[in-house]
Amino acid sequence: EAGVAQSPRYKIIEKRQSVAFWCNPISGHATLYWYQQILGQGPKLLIQFQNNGVVDDSQLPKDRFSAERLKGVDSTLKIQPAKLEDSAVYLCASSLDRGRRGEKLFFGSGTQLSVL
Amino acid sequence: GEDVEQSLFLSVREGDSSVINCTYTDSSSTYLYWYKQEPGAGLQLLTYIFSNMDMKQDQRLTVLLNKKDKHLSLRIADTQTGDSAIYFCAVLFSGGYNKLIFGAGTRLAVHP
Repeated sequence: EAGVAQSPRYKIIEKRQSVAFWCNPISGHATLYWYQQILGQGPKLLIQFQNNGVVDDSQLPKDRFSAERLKGVDSTLKIQPAKLEDSAVYLCASSLDRGRRGEKLFFGSGTQLSVL
Repeated sequence: GEDVEQSLFLSVREGDSSVINCTYTDSSSTYLYWYKQEPGAGLQLLTYIFSNMDMKQDQRLTVLLNKKDKHLSLRIADTQTGDSAIYFCAVLFSGGYNKLIFGAGTRLAVHP
C-alpha cells in the first residue's frame, strides 16, 4: 500500500519569499492533516480537512499561511511571505475516518523548510 | 482545551528499563499513541492503545493507561543504544471530530 507522499523533501528560501508544499494522502483517506514541527518541539496541528472541507484551522497563521484540498484528495500548503520563524518540518498525515471513532494517522516523511 | 505534556529528558543505562510518562487533559480521548523520531528522520509509530484498555504489550514495549488520572506511560524493557531518540506521546481527541495532539517529546539517551 502506498503511503502519504510529500514534496519537496527540502526547501531553502529567503525571508519574504513564497513557498508551497504538496501532499498526496493514502487513497480513500477522508481526513488530511498538516502539522508544523519546529526543531526541538512536538508537531503542531495547523489545519485539518475532512474531504475537501476545513474542520480545524485554529492554529493556522492565516495572514501568511493558506491551504487547500481540491476534490478531497491532494492538498497544498502555502506560505506567503515566509518569516524566519517558519523554518520547520511540515508534515502531512491522513486517516480513513469512518465516523466519530478514532482512527490511526499515517504520516508522510515531511518537507524540511529553511528560511534564511 | 486539549493538551498533552511530557517530561523533556530521560537518561538510562543500556540494559535497564526506560519509562516515559505523559499526561493529557480532556476526557474525549480515543486512541493514544507513542511515536519515535530519530535525528533527521520522520515520525515512526511505535504502538498505540485504545482508551478502553489499561495495558498493551508489544515485545519490549509496554503501554499503561490510567484513564482516571489521564496518565499514559511507555516502558521499554532492556533498553539498547538504538532506542536513543525522541519519543512523542500523542492523543486522539474525538469531540466533534478527531484531532491528534502531540506532546513536546521526551529525549531518551541510552549510555553504556
